[in-house]
Amino acid sequence: DAGVIQSPRHEVTEMGQEVTLRCKPISGHNSLFWYRQTMMRGLELLIYFNNNVPIDDSGMPEDRFSAKMPNASFSTLKIQPSEPRDSAVYFCASSSRPRGETQYFGPGTRLLVL
Amino acid sequence: GESVGLHLPTLSVQEGDNSIINCAYSNSASDYFIWYKQESGKGPQFIIDIRSNMDKRQGQRVTVLLNKTVKHLSLQIAATQPGDSAVYFCAESRNAGGTSYGKLTFGQGTILTVHP
Repeated sequence: DAGVIQSPRHEVTEMGQEVTLRCKPISGHNSLFWYRQTMMRGLELLIYFNNNVPIDDSGMPEDRFSAKMPNASFSTLKIQPSEPRDSAVYFCASSSRPRGETQYFGPGTRLLVL
Repeated sequence: GESVGLHLPTLSVQEGDNSIINCAYSNSASDYFIWYKQESGKGPQFIIDIRSNMDKRQGQRVTVLLNKTVKHLSLQIAATQPGDSAVYFCAESRNAGGTSYGKLTFGQGTILTVHP
């Protein structure tokens, strides 16, 4: 079975540009998570969806960040406008467990904002 | 200039030795724990998990031990191989009730290096 799929794998953009990261969770998983990983702060949860509904977005840094899940097989994380401090690896994870445990991570998108 | 970031604990072992990676947690209400392995350039990979009603769980070459008294979690890897070299993260969650959503809180990670 395919795992969590993320695209693009690498993104280099200039400050002020819009960035859209994409995720396809594992089929049948009803929980989806977006994380950000940096050397400074480690792995941070940005937002959690359950059955396509955002449940916890307390980790979203600011209004420049937005996430959507229009259906069970697709989610996007958008940064507009992007800033150099947004440079990080962004991971998507999905889970089939009722409490969202045992999350399976995608390969990540490495974002560099110049 | 010099970058400032997390200073991860490191563990170096010889191939074939057993490895023990430790993790302390602070929330006594945590009732679910999980270990992940992250290789360079890849996403975290699930290894093993344990609930607070257990103190030991075994998988293939790995064992997780939970000591709730001192809030300590460990991952034991038997016959460590060079392919085990990675960063290992522990994470915890607690039943928040209501929505039954348990947010995972990740530790900083431990770098394991296995020498052939």
